[in-house]
Amino acid sequence: QSALTQPPSASGSPGQSVTISCTGSGSDFGGYNYVSWFQQHPGKAPKLVIYEVSKRPSGVPDRFSASKSGNTASLTVSGLQAEDEADYYCCSYAGSNNLGVFGGGTKLTVL
Amino acid sequence: QLQMQESGPGLVKPSETLSLTCTVSGVPMNSSNSYWGWIRQPPGKGLEWIGSVYQSGTTYYMSYTGTTYYNPSLKSRVTISIDSSNNQFSLNLASVTAADTAIYYCLRGGSFPAVAVAGFFWGQGTLVTVSS
Repeated sequence: QSALTQPPSASGSPGQSVTISCTGSGSDFGGYNYVSWFQQHPGKAPKLVIYEVSKRPSGVPDRFSASKSGNTASLTVSGLQAEDEADYYCCSYAGSNNLGVFGGGTKLTVL
Repeated sequence: QLQMQESGPGLVKPSETLSLTCTVSGVPMNSSNSYWGWIRQPPGKGLEWIGSVYQSGTTYYMSYTGTTYYNPSLKSRVTISIDSSNNQFSLNLASVTAADTAIYYCLRGGSFPAVAVAGFFWGQGTLVTVSS
């Protein structure tokens, strides 16, 4: 059982926006604002799309945005495109004894 | 452009030690302060952080090179080491069982512990099956 809870699935039509949540306890998030989000297409390695709650690595479209409030982090994908269909995982720093706690993943379907 | 490639046996017997190496190309590992780590994914399941090791890129933090962090649930069985002279780092996972069957990925994270698992660069992954 994952320490962070994500909905197993989410969906939206092309052009729409979808938000994926990631919920944990205070200890899971470590009281810190260090949440990452990864996108994974079938058969491929994960790709970092968000780090430190809301920062985008170079090359990631600004259609990807994220935030955190209390014990819930959220990833929003705006202007959905077919290529956004993938699994999305959140990950949080939970202190010096546990650098990475993952959510169970959310399968995003573009209808 | 930094590239990473995992290598090692694809089949390991139960109770034995799983050993993998990640070879980094394109950039010297000791050119920047970075965390290098391993994440695994059982077939059809989610991601699990295994551990990370620190490599300093500056003289000031050189003494911290080799500092390791491990997932508490795996800590008793995991060893991660770094060989920057050969631009490689390695994973050893002892006493494996079928539950350790997974795709194993190596990655380069950020420059401090809180972003060690923010994998900016990843290997393609290698499937390791534990079976007799």
